[in-house]
Amino acid sequence: EADIYQTPRYLVIGTGKKITLECSQTMGHDKMYWYQQDPGMELHLIHYSYGVNSTEKGDLSSESTVSRIRTEHFPLTLESARPSHTSQYLCASSESTAASEAFFGQGTRLTVV
Amino acid sequence: AQKITQTQPGMFVQEKEAVTLDCTYDTSDPSYGLFWYKQPSSGEMIFLIYQGSYDQQNATEGRYSLNFQKARKSANLVISASQLGDSAMYFCAMREGPNQAGTALIFGKGTTLSVSS
Repeated sequence: EADIYQTPRYLVIGTGKKITLECSQTMGHDKMYWYQQDPGMELHLIHYSYGVNSTEKGDLSSESTVSRIRTEHFPLTLESARPSHTSQYLCASSESTAASEAFFGQGTRLTVV
Repeated sequence: AQKITQTQPGMFVQEKEAVTLDCTYDTSDPSYGLFWYKQPSSGEMIFLIYQGSYDQQNATEGRYSLNFQKARKSANLVISASQLGDSAMYFCAMREGPNQAGTALIFGKGTTLSVSS
């Protein structure tokens, strides 16, 4: 069983609020990723990190920001939530080998009202 | 251009039958890896199977096998003896580049599989 955790699982929040989605893994993986997924749709990479103090933007432009101060922790922050941010956010991590699959957290379903 | 193409939005199969989910990919890198994930309605992503571009044999994991046709750039997932619990969305994904381990997975749009009794 994968040891990657996301909190909260569900979040309903008002427009304009600042939110942080938490993601932690206990596998010691250097690589971590955030994907955004609308219901029944594909996953879009929005942020990734290759290690501590390394963050990059993904293919899908996002108003969110991320930080990687510790290997195990990769939080995602929205400074001012908007209804267009309503989506599912999936965090993942992987080892540094070619054949290593990405392990996913259970996701955070965010609704901005 | 789409890196990963899954042309079947939905597939329907009866229990105990085999089903093939299609996936084609586009890359100019000789080194890449192909992955299949299952996503049930609960939302979690479950890794199923991996195929490396240099692997000589098709990957198999239990009831899952990957029909890898490198020249056609296709990596179809075959599920044998379908079960009701196989009903889910299935995603094909690719990781590419000489430093394959250093890149993120790129996903296709997915195929929804429905298994009936």
